[in-house]
Amino acid sequence: AQKVTQAQTEISVVEKEDVTLDCVYETRDTTYYLFWYKQPPSGELVFLIRRNSFDEQNEISGRYSWNFQKSTSSFNFTITASQVVDSAVYFCALSETSYDKVIFGPGTSLSVIP
Amino acid sequence: NAGVTQTPKFRVLKTGQSMTLLCAQDMNHEYMYWYRQDPGMGLRLIHYSVGEGTTAKGEVPDGYNVSRLKKQNFLLGLESAAPSQTSVYFCASSPNYRATEAFFGQGTRLTVV
Repeated sequence: AQKVTQAQTEISVVEKEDVTLDCVYETRDTTYYLFWYKQPPSGELVFLIRRNSFDEQNEISGRYSWNFQKSTSSFNFTITASQVVDSAVYFCALSETSYDKVIFGPGTSLSVIP
Repeated sequence: NAGVTQTPKFRVLKTGQSMTLLCAQDMNHEYMYWYRQDPGMGLRLIHYSVGEGTTAKGEVPDGYNVSRLKKQNFLLGLESAAPSQTSVYFCASSPNYRATEAFFGQGTRLTVV
């Protein structure tokens, strides 16, 4: 069965600190896709990254980086030198090829304090 | 550059009233979905559609109905609103369900009193 766990409900950091948001997933499929979305206080959902199960290379985009480890079923998201504009709710999501559904985790609310 | 547009943005309903939420996308996407977002529960899929004229149930379909008569529109109906349906509703679309990201509307905040 599909499941996405984001154990951190809320995180607060001081500006310029690094922060890692955890995502652990469960799937029976060998082919699947993982996503991260950002929901700023304005409410819209913004796509950040997609990763397929066959590509375990870590990815870096500016201050954002993602660590995908199939061995631990994790797809963690790190923000380096956090900024106030990073304050948002971040969702991890899983899509399997066996099911016509994308499952979202419960989200992690990140507050970056100036 | 509209993307995905939801109507209305806010609504207050009395218990037992009915309403329809409209979602329109201008990206020619095949797939469309309705989610609800509740505190601490993330987004939960209500119904989805894999193409014009098709609909399917998601995780939490009870109390809702949907229709996709035109490719660009996906309607979500509440026949008899209940306080448990107070939530923020998001519509989304994507060209391919599994492998690509979804594009979301701005959300509809619904309160049932």
